[in-house]
Amino acid sequence: GQQVMQIPQYQHVQEGEDFTTYCNSSTTLSNIQWYKQRPGGHPVFLIQLVKSGEVKKQKRLTFQFGEAKKNSSLHITATQTTDVGTYFCADVDNYGQNFVFGPGTRLSVLP
Amino acid sequence: EADIYQTPRYLVIGTGKKITLECSQTMGHDKMYWYQQDPGMELHLIHYSYGVNSTEKGDLSSESTVSRIRTEHFPLTLESARPSHTSQYLCASSLRTGGHGYTFGSGTRLTVV
Repeated sequence: GQQVMQIPQYQHVQEGEDFTTYCNSSTTLSNIQWYKQRPGGHPVFLIQLVKSGEVKKQKRLTFQFGEAKKNSSLHITATQTTDVGTYFCADVDNYGQNFVFGPGTRLSVLP
Repeated sequence: EADIYQTPRYLVIGTGKKITLECSQTMGHDKMYWYQQDPGMELHLIHYSYGVNSTEKGDLSSESTVSRIRTEHFPLTLESARPSHTSQYLCASSLRTGGHGYTFGSGTRLTVV
């Protein structure tokens, strides 16, 4: 079945450093969603990307969809301790019905 | 305020007991989902529903069952709990039309002793 992959699995950064996580799939990506899950919390929807080459920004977060729809990325500028958590990407399945989640990238930010 | 609610938040139960995890949403969403997630790990889809009287099994084999008699309610039942069922169970919902994010509940942390 469809698989969504994310790298890196873990990332430790010093507060103030930038952070990037990448998402790709065994097939061409269709609609990409990004979620954030704080430790002990539940996933919270951040954004959706649908167009090739699309770039969206939310304050210090920049989301990008690759030109060939082979990958997507989430970049955080100048990380803060509030950015700690797991970031999941998800792509719509082959039937266009449900979203398939990647394994997540766990970010820790050292003060 | 529209939201999605899960109860109980925490549950410790003995092996062999029957349990039902509750999930309700007030957003009028057609689609609802149950995920199993160990702490800090991947989300595994175990059940989903596209509307009333619609239920399907997800990617992860599960001994649980679900029902969808009302749009807003999607309970998950374990007939006989086992220690291997210890995990967090997350309920989510979304609109039927594509392109909308999932709204997740706060989850039920289940421990079977």
